[in-house]
Amino acid sequence: DAMVIQNPRYQVTQFGKPVTLSCSQTLNHNVMYWYQQKSSQAPKLLFHYYDKDFNNEADTPDNFQSRRPNTSFCFLDIRSPGLGDAAMYLCATSRGVEGYEQYFGPGTRLTVT
Amino acid sequence: DAKTTQPNSMESNEEEPVHLPCNHSTISGTDYIHWYRQLPSQGPEYVIHGLTSNVNNRMASLAIAEDRKSSTLILHRATLRDAAVYYCILSRTSGTYKYIFGTGTRLKVLA
Repeated sequence: DAMVIQNPRYQVTQFGKPVTLSCSQTLNHNVMYWYQQKSSQAPKLLFHYYDKDFNNEADTPDNFQSRRPNTSFCFLDIRSPGLGDAAMYLCATSRGVEGYEQYFGPGTRLTVT
Repeated sequence: DAKTTQPNSMESNEEEPVHLPCNHSTISGTDYIHWYRQLPSQGPEYVIHGLTSNVNNRMASLAIAEDRKSSTLILHRATLRDAAVYYCILSRTSGTYKYIFGTGTRLKVLA
């Protein structure tokens, strides 16, 4: 039944230790997005893939990378997490980018110690 | 950049209509207006979206001003399950893609 799945739901990593968050979808959507949501703030788009085309937001730090090996899966890699990267990371999908509904996963809460 | 402005919080009584406003004075001609809501510890959930005309679906109605510089999300009969943060978003696909969430309105529904 689940359409956008994020694993794990909770992730703890150490300062500077690379971490990967994963997202999968059963909707066969063309577009997959990664958002960062800090406490009491709105989600902020980091980047998105339209099929294999990667689109980075201008203000997304280089520390954040993404991979999309196939239609169903997308990964968020944080190369050297800092304390300021502790947040909820949300994955979303949509059929297209213009005027299409986005379907969000439940998020992965990242803690950096 | 496209930007939306929303009140921080609103209250409504259960079973009454709720009108959630959003200002987007910098909207451009091809920007879509989207509304999502987020319950605690969940990802955002789509509510409704539109371009120029008013829109209705089973969850809500979206009223868009004639000049498109503001819009209102209308929940026809608020229930306790509608308590959430409601985000108004502009999406822009001309030039660099933009999908910017507003700061959101926390809706409290009183029994």
